[in-house]
Amino acid sequence: DAKTTQPTSMDCAEGRAANLPCNHSTISGNEYVYWYRQIHSQGPQYIIHGLKNNETNEMASLIITEDRKSSTLILPHATLRDTAVYYCIVQGAGGTSYGKLTFGQGTILTVHP
Amino acid sequence: DAGVIQSPRHEVTEMGQEVTLRCKPISGHDYLFWYRQTMMRGLELLIYFNNNVPIDDSGMPEDRFSAKMPNASFSTLKIQPSEPRDSAVYFCASSPRRAGGELFFGEGSRLTVL
Repeated sequence: DAKTTQPTSMDCAEGRAANLPCNHSTISGNEYVYWYRQIHSQGPQYIIHGLKNNETNEMASLIITEDRKSSTLILPHATLRDTAVYYCIVQGAGGTSYGKLTFGQGTILTVHP
Repeated sequence: DAGVIQSPRHEVTEMGQEVTLRCKPISGHDYLFWYRQTMMRGLELLIYFNNNVPIDDSGMPEDRFSAKMPNASFSTLKIQPSEPRDSAVYFCASSPRRAGGELFFGEGSRLTVL
């Protein structure tokens, strides 16, 4: 499985956009980029995923570079409740790889007033 | 939908005792996963099922661990005998099968083995 590299921690002011980077230089052509987050004492929560194109949903936007070697998760208007550990995961979507997410250490995002 | 339901939320037991963790997946989801989270190792996949059949149990640490899924709405993870190093938060997740589909995690079962 492709490995991802994320900053250990980031800060963001409430109401501002939070941009979380992720490097995945060894990603394969059929591997998706997934983002999950884990708020303290809760289970991981799915945020968004993408293959090649940029994606947007009600929670966030995902920007994937053209060479697919890196991506950025954008929380457009961060709130205090967005304080969490954010995991960037690269994983195949088919066959026996389905659902076998390999979680790294993630980025601790702290949103402050 | 109630989401993935796990029980117990907290379990404290003594070394050598049997522990059974339970999971009810979201109705209609045909994939079920058991993950474990510790400070040292982070989140790691233990086993997953598709249509109640175990597909990959390569993450199960040793023979003391076993998992079953007798029907589409129930799964158990059993540790016998338990050891202090099994102390962790155990998460169950379920997923509908679709390309790039997401996993829905439960709130976890926090296990402490004394």
